Amino acid sequence: GENVEQHPSTLSVQEGDSAVIKCTYSDSASNYFPWYKQELGKRPQLIIDIRSNVGEKKDQRIAVTLNKTAKHFSLHITETQPEDSAVYFCAASFTGGGNKLTFGTGTQLKVEL
Amino acid sequence: DTGVSQNPRHKITKRGQNVTFRCDPISEHNRLYWYRQTLGQGPEFLTYFQNEAQLEKSRLLSDRFSAERPKGSFSTLEIQRTEQGDSAMYLCASSYDRGLVEKLFFGSGTQLSVL
Repeated sequence: GENVEQHPSTLSVQEGDSAVIKCTYSDSASNYFPWYKQELGKRPQLIIDIRSNVGEKKDQRIAVTLNKTAKHFSLHITETQPEDSAVYFCAASFTGGGNKLTFGTGTQLKVEL
Repeated sequence: DTGVSQNPRHKITKRGQNVTFRCDPISEHNRLYWYRQTLGQGPEFLTYFQNEAQLEKSRLLSDRFSAERPKGSFSTLEIQRTEQGDSAMYLCASSYDRGLVEKLFFGSGTQLSVL
C-alpha cells in the first residue's frame, strides 16, 4: 500500500517568513495530493490540492509543487501569519481506487511574532 | 452549518462496552469515509461507502468494528467490546464522485476515551 513520509515534524518561523513542508510517497499510481490544516480540537480543513498532471498550483500565499519522478510534493506558505499556526498534513491517493487518502504524520507549524 | 456533522463530539466509556457514532455527510455527497486519528498522527483510513454500499474495509478494522450506511445518507460506526486501544478521534469525511477528482471534507470527529 501507499506510504507517505512528511518532514519536518515541527517548524517554527518568524511572522512574515516563508515555511516549506515536504512529503514523499511510495506508490507511483497515486495521482491526487491534498494538503489539510488542522487546528487544535478542530476538523482537518482542505487548503490546497494538486493532481498528478500538474506540477505546481498556487492559491494566494499557499503553493504546492509536485515532482512525480522523485515522488516528492511540497507545501509552501509565504508571508506567514500567526493564524497559520496549526498542524499541516499531506496526503496521497489513487482516485481510481476509491480515493482513499494516506496521510503523512503531520507538521506542527508555529508562527512567532 | 452545511458541512459534515458528527455526533457525539465526545464519548467516554468503560472497557467492554459498545459504542456507536453517527456521521451526517454533506447532503449531495455520495461517498462517505471513516478515519481514525490518534494523538500526533495523521488520520488512518478505516472504511468507505459509495451510496449504501460498503466498498472497502481496512485491515485496521477488526471484527469488533462495523459500519453501516443504510439509506445512502447518514452512517453509523459501532465498536463492540471496546478496548483501551480503541481510544482515538474517529473522523468522518464525505465527497461527491462525479468521475473527477473528489475533494474530501471532514467532520469535527468523535473523541472516544475508553477507561
